Amino acid sequence: EIVLTQSPGTLSLSPGERATLSCRASQSVSSRYLAWYQQKSGQAPRLLMYDASSRATDIPDRFSGSGSGTDFTLTISRLEPEDFAVYYCQQYGSSPYTFGQGTKLEIK
Amino acid sequence: EVQLVQSGAEVKKPGESLKISCKRSDFTTSWIGWVRQMPGKGLEWMGIIYLGDSDTRYNPSLQGQVTISADRSITTAYLQWSSLKASDTAMYYCVVPLRGGHNYFDLWGQGTLVTVSS
Repeated sequence: EIVLTQSPGTLSLSPGERATLSCRASQSVSSRYLAWYQQKSGQAPRLLMYDASSRATDIPDRFSGSGSGTDFTLTISRLEPEDFAVYYCQQYGSSPYTFGQGTKLEIK
Repeated sequence: EVQLVQSGAEVKKPGESLKISCKRSDFTTSWIGWVRQMPGKGLEWMGIIYLGDSDTRYNPSLQGQVTISADRSITTAYLQWSSLKASDTAMYYCVVPLRGGHNYFDLWGQGTLVTVSS
């Protein structure tokens, strides 16, 4: 099973700032099969990115993803108030499909 | 717009059985999976079933603890427990991967909260 470790656990930033979230895998994720999700309090998660760097439908271009192998990054270029939430990475290169433990992005 | 509609919240006692459901609104045959979120915790993929022929894959860590089934005629997937434990208390989401063969989840149900308490 591939273990995903996200860092930092909590990230405190202000609107307008740039956010960089990390996801590290215990072994290489095949074909860059990594997704990112956003979860706001009391809501179901929402798909942001797939294949490490492809934005899902209706996701604004301030969200971008990068990485390959074992190291992946989600970047939010300029934070909007609605971006403060918990973010999860997920690998789907090998079963069981696993999620990271999440990064909480909070307003500073 | 396709939606996943899940059954309502449940409160059960330890040892009781339970079956929750997830219906795809557009009657399309597809894979439907389940993701667990324990209180205050992260996400865990439980398994996935193909509505067409009920081909089912489980997370080995959960196999034997739950049963995933489906009714193709009503495009509905189910998650079932024969004997609930307090540790089954969680929010359960059904999910659909729209891109065949790639198990990231474009669609999410609204969630079913299961509370197991004596």
